[in-house]
Amino acid sequence: QKEVEQNSGPLSVPEGAIASLNCTYSDRGSQSFFWYRQYSGKSPELIMFIYSNGDKEDGRFTAQLNKASQYVSLLIRDSQPSDSATYLCAADDYKLSFGAGTTVTVRA
Amino acid sequence: DAEITQSPRHKITETGRQVTLACHQTWNHNNMFWYRQDLGHGLRLIHYSYGVQDTNKGEVSDGYSVSRSNTEDLPLTLESAASSQTSVYFCASSLNRVGEQYFGPGTRLTVT
Repeated sequence: QKEVEQNSGPLSVPEGAIASLNCTYSDRGSQSFFWYRQYSGKSPELIMFIYSNGDKEDGRFTAQLNKASQYVSLLIRDSQPSDSATYLCAADDYKLSFGAGTTVTVRA
Repeated sequence: DAEITQSPRHKITETGRQVTLACHQTWNHNNMFWYRQDLGHGLRLIHYSYGVQDTNKGEVSDGYSVSRSNTEDLPLTLESAASSQTSVYFCASSLNRVGEQYFGPGTRLTVT
């Protein structure tokens, strides 16, 4: 079983809508969780991290963590065409384990 | 500005040849990582290092080796390249928190 699973997508949303990305992890020892964004042909870049249960907001992005359910999510509000990318979820247990990614396309 | 670089950016090699991919960072980060990215698999960890002279195997380390002789560099060597090692390779580094990584631009390797 893969350690980090993401909803496979692809996810297509209209401009201005909310994009919801989900991630589950199997290792209860994981304490920290990260969302990376990767544009086509580019390298991943860190956009959000969350360590505590609950929500964390940064601009149009909100990360949500529920350790009891082993569930992490990322909400992108007011989606823009520039948000079109693959989003990678990762869990940290002294090294990062990445999910396969969810590709998001924002339709203008 | 501090940065992380990889070279070469593109490489074509033949089966059985030894290949070394370079990774250099100027942030003075302790932690460095090598990943490969293949369609459908996401990023898979090959090797990682938490400091000079420290190296550790990741989930897909067979056929690869690394050495860490200084803080700035973590070269990745493919001992005898195989077609299954055709991939995009990313190097990354982090200062303290392992999860907060900065990635290099990647090397696209083709083994024919």
